[in-house]
Amino acid sequence: AQSVAQPEDQVNVAEGNPLTVKCTYSVSGNPYLFWYVQYPNRGLQFLLKYITGDNLVKGSYGFEAEFNKSQTSFHLKKPSALVSDSALYFCAVRDIYGNNRLAFGKGNQVVVIP
Amino acid sequence: DTGVSQDPRHKITKRGQNVTFRCDPISEHNRLYWYRQTLGQGPEFLTYFQNEAQLEKSRLLSDRFSAERPKGSFSTLEIQRTEQGDSAMYLCASSEYGGGTGQTGELFFGEGSRLTVL
Repeated sequence: AQSVAQPEDQVNVAEGNPLTVKCTYSVSGNPYLFWYVQYPNRGLQFLLKYITGDNLVKGSYGFEAEFNKSQTSFHLKKPSALVSDSALYFCAVRDIYGNNRLAFGKGNQVVVIP
Repeated sequence: DTGVSQDPRHKITKRGQNVTFRCDPISEHNRLYWYRQTLGQGPEFLTYFQNEAQLEKSRLLSDRFSAERPKGSFSTLEIQRTEQGDSAMYLCASSEYGGGTGQTGELFFGEGSRLTVL
């Protein structure tokens, strides 16, 4: 079964510094990979996805993610963090071979310090 | 607003009572998903529909849970004889299905329905 791991519970970063949120995945074939963000008491908002093509994917709000097949990773990055980026970030994976469910990681709390 | 809407946003109930949540997906989306999220965890898949057909159910979906999407539009998730362990955020999402062109996979989530069982 497909799964993702987000090894850090919380990521603290100073405003203006680069932000990285780590994700590794496990699937039986080629993956579809996603990042979502969740603000308190809200649903999940889509940030970006990797399906195929360039390993560097650009998404909403200045976020990007790099797909690395050899390391089975899909780390989320932002060059300069904003206080408003403080939220819960989820990585998710879907197996392209007929399984339609997304498997989510446990999430990473990002705290951007002013 | 043309996003996914869920109702109610919050529900407090006593153990043993039945509750029902409603989800209205994005109108052109033919796939609809239910997820459950507990504190400190990522969303866990419960079930999904393609049009009115319920195509997959998780083992998390016990016999007390039932989901329907009778006309392929809105969906309901009913929990019978609620237990304290059912307290969670219930998230609905919808997506397009690419059919012969393949699956898009991108889910659009509603704001969720938070259930508290006392």
